[in-house]
Amino acid sequence: DAGVIQSPRHEVTEMGQEVTLRCKPISGHDYLFWYRQTMMRGLELLIYFNNNVPIDDSGMPEDRFSAKMPNASFSTLKIQPSEPRDSAVYFCASSRLAHSTDTQYFGPGTRLTVL
Amino acid sequence: DAKTTQPTSMDCAEGRAANLPCNHSTISGNEYVYWYRQIHSQGPQYIIHGLKNNETNEMASLIITEDRKSSTLILPHATLRDTAVYYCIVRGNFGNEKLTFGTGTRLTIIP
Repeated sequence: DAGVIQSPRHEVTEMGQEVTLRCKPISGHDYLFWYRQTMMRGLELLIYFNNNVPIDDSGMPEDRFSAKMPNASFSTLKIQPSEPRDSAVYFCASSRLAHSTDTQYFGPGTRLTVL
Repeated sequence: DAKTTQPTSMDCAEGRAANLPCNHSTISGNEYVYWYRQIHSQGPQYIIHGLKNNETNEMASLIITEDRKSSTLILPHATLRDTAVYYCIVRGNFGNEKLTFGTGTRLTIIP
């Protein structure tokens, strides 16, 4: 099993540009999560999906952020327009179930730098 | 989710057992205790979880007090690769999928 795959691993862009982060969950996992990690705020949940449907997006910081899951094997997190304060490491995670006895498996993350 | 309290940092000598404490005094009866760790520049990694009984797997042991208000993660023979930030998380029962990460304990294994 390849685990959760994220791309790109590093992204450097200029303020105002559109940024798209990609995630491929583990095959057979019905839940997909997007997290953001910064020094100031730590690791925080942005949004999660169940069977490709967004369930809770209360962690999405503002309208500049959007996430989609067009099929069970692919999700995107888009920032448009990007700002320097969006600089962070973005993690994608997946799990088989929502049950509290199930675990989330994290990808390696995308380090985003907005200049 | 119930909140957890962990020491900010700890050191442990290589080859010794690392014992990482966590307080979760407001935990409710159907909430699980989860432990994750994050090695520098990597995504968080699941270690172990439990409800009431002590648990052991190939990575670690989890000791939960009888009143469930605290727990200890034990890495029996720490190696340098165990240097990481360790997160203790209390997670709700079915229907609550969120993992709420606190600040964790930065464990440094000393050669």
